[in-house]
Amino acid sequence: NAGVTQTPKFQVLKTGQSMTLQCAQDMNHEYMSWYRQDPGMGLRLIHYSVGAGITDQGEVPNGYNVSRSTTEDFPLRLLSAAPSQTSVYFCASSLNLPPGLADVFRGEQFFGPGTRLTVL
Amino acid sequence: DAKTTQPNSMESNEEEPVHLPCNHSTISGTDYIHWYRQLPSQGPEYVIHGLTSNVNNRMASLAIAEDRKSSTLILHRATLRDAAVYYCILRDPSDYGNKLVFGAGTILRVKS
Repeated sequence: NAGVTQTPKFQVLKTGQSMTLQCAQDMNHEYMSWYRQDPGMGLRLIHYSVGAGITDQGEVPNGYNVSRSTTEDFPLRLLSAAPSQTSVYFCASSLNLPPGLADVFRGEQFFGPGTRLTVL
Repeated sequence: DAKTTQPNSMESNEEEPVHLPCNHSTISGTDYIHWYRQLPSQGPEYVIHGLTSNVNNRMASLAIAEDRKSSTLILHRATLRDAAVYYCILRDPSDYGNKLVFGAGTILRVKS
């Protein structure tokens, strides 16, 4: 298994440009999510999905769009890049166990290697 | 979400045990304690989790205080590869969505 893969590894954008960060997993996980990590800080949740066709907002969703047309893929779109979106972006996936069972049966999340984005 | 408090950084010698503390005085009776770590330039990875009893796995041990207001992640013999940021996270099992709320974590430095 490749696990969680993210492309590209690095990207430089100009203010106002749009782009899509790709995330794919081959573990048949229903749950997928996107986090951003600013220097010296922990990860913050942007958007998440509990299955194909279902997405929801996390802590910092503004400026980002997501869709989930397949179980495997969960792309993150930046509509009009801003310097404040300079960050490292991580995608994660896990089984979507019912509330309560996720913790009993571990339900660990698997993270991708990240995409380092710079917006000038 | 209940909050956790961790030291900003800790230092250890290689081959020695490391005890990483986490305070969570507002933990609810059903919150699970999860630990993840993030190696340099990588995404976080799961380490261990528990509810009330101490837990062991191949990576580490988790010691949970009897009142559950604190816990300690124990690396039995630190190696250079264990240098990472360690995150202590509380998860409400009734939360639908597998969300993890990360704090700043503890930076562990391992000296050879």
